[in-house]
Amino acid sequence: SVLLYQKPNRDICQSGTSLKIQCVADSQVVSMFWYQQFQEQSLMLMATANEGSEATYESGFTKDKFPISRPNLTFSTLTVNNARPGDSSIYFCSSRVSGTGYAEQFFGPGTRLTVL
Amino acid sequence: GDSVTQTEGQVALSEEDFLTIHCNYSASGYPALFWYVQYPGEGPQFLFRASRDKEKGSSRGFEATYDKGTTSFHLRKASVQESDSAVYYCALGNSAGNKLTFGIGTRVLVRP
Repeated sequence: SVLLYQKPNRDICQSGTSLKIQCVADSQVVSMFWYQQFQEQSLMLMATANEGSEATYESGFTKDKFPISRPNLTFSTLTVNNARPGDSSIYFCSSRVSGTGYAEQFFGPGTRLTVL
Repeated sequence: GDSVTQTEGQVALSEEDFLTIHCNYSASGYPALFWYVQYPGEGPQFLFRASRDKEKGSSRGFEATYDKGTTSFHLRKASVQESDSAVYYCALGNSAGNKLTFGIGTRVLVRP
């Protein structure tokens, strides 16, 4: 398994500002994923980040709004640009250990974002 | 596209009751199926996985069998405890391993 740490664990920001969420793994991992979870709802995959390449975004999420960096095999950052109240949710990073298909993903504790 | 349907939004039980949460999927090819559990204030935790027809996954007394014929992966536990109170998610993984599609989740409340 892999342990993931996220910072901050919660944040409150004003509309129009940007904020960064960091994710650190305790071992090197091939892929890191970012998910969004609204209150009492399911998780939605936002993007996949592999080291040294551009993140791949799912429908409804864009690089301009949610830029993601993956500078090495243990670290990733999600930025929320021009934050709006509709971005208020919990953001999770996850990773899988194996590079092959069907491997389970392990999740960080989440970052709860509130946009005023 | 791929999708997962969990029919129960919430289940309320007493300790030692039998739990069933229904999960059906729709996908092309041969996806992997997962169960995750999420406790308040935490990220989802992997319970178990199955990746071929008739394969049974199990963990912590929970089990589910991959059934390609009925496109199902129902979660069961014979005797629940109060500590099993959580939200349970069925998820589908594509063969490339780069995408998990989650169901809406089922909130399980076990009364002592």
